[in-house]
Amino acid sequence: DAMVIQNPRYQVTQFGKPVTLSCSQTLNHNVMYWYQQKSSQAPKLLFHYYDKDFNNEADTPDNFQSRRPNTSFCFLDIRSPGLGDAAMYLCATSRDHGETQYFGPGTRLLVL
Amino acid sequence: QKEVEQNSGPLSVPEGAIASLNCTYSDRGSQSFFWYRQYSGKSPELIMSIYSNGDKEDGRFTAQLNKASQYVSLLIRDSQPSDSATYLCAVMRHGQNFVFGPGTRLSVLP
Repeated sequence: DAMVIQNPRYQVTQFGKPVTLSCSQTLNHNVMYWYQQKSSQAPKLLFHYYDKDFNNEADTPDNFQSRRPNTSFCFLDIRSPGLGDAAMYLCATSRDHGETQYFGPGTRLLVL
Repeated sequence: QKEVEQNSGPLSVPEGAIASLNCTYSDRGSQSFFWYRQYSGKSPELIMSIYSNGDKEDGRFTAQLNKASQYVSLLIRDSQPSDSATYLCAVMRHGQNFVFGPGTRLSVLP
């Protein structure tokens, strides 16, 4: 089945220790998104790629970076995680801008 | 003014009743509207999308859109305990990104 996959599902890291979350898709969609979602809040868009074009949201901290080496994969790098970065990180894809977004299962990040 | 507003709930309805979830938005240029369901600890899953004024039905779910009033709703008929979740409204202007509402928590009581 075509899908969006995220690994790992749960990640525990230490304060300040870099961490990378990964997302892959078999939908062959052009657009890949990274969202941060904290408890009882709406998903907050961090950035997205349209193909290889990177689009950063204005209020995304510099601590968050992303890479998309090919159509199928996209990575979220948190350079120096703080306690406030503990959240669910959601990857989503869409065929094109303005179309339905399909979410992966998410990675829950815990920062100790 | 928040861009997309929803009552946070919880909205409690008895099993078998109709649950009505509401969403208002501020951007008159919005063209696409989506309802996602999110179970606790899980990711959002698409329930319905709607683009034109009026009603769109899919099984027990009906989405209603009124662009003049900047209002979109989701009706769930014959509500089941398994419908208990947070429902996220997402609104989009053509070519731009989703704007999510804060979600409404629905509780269907057996």
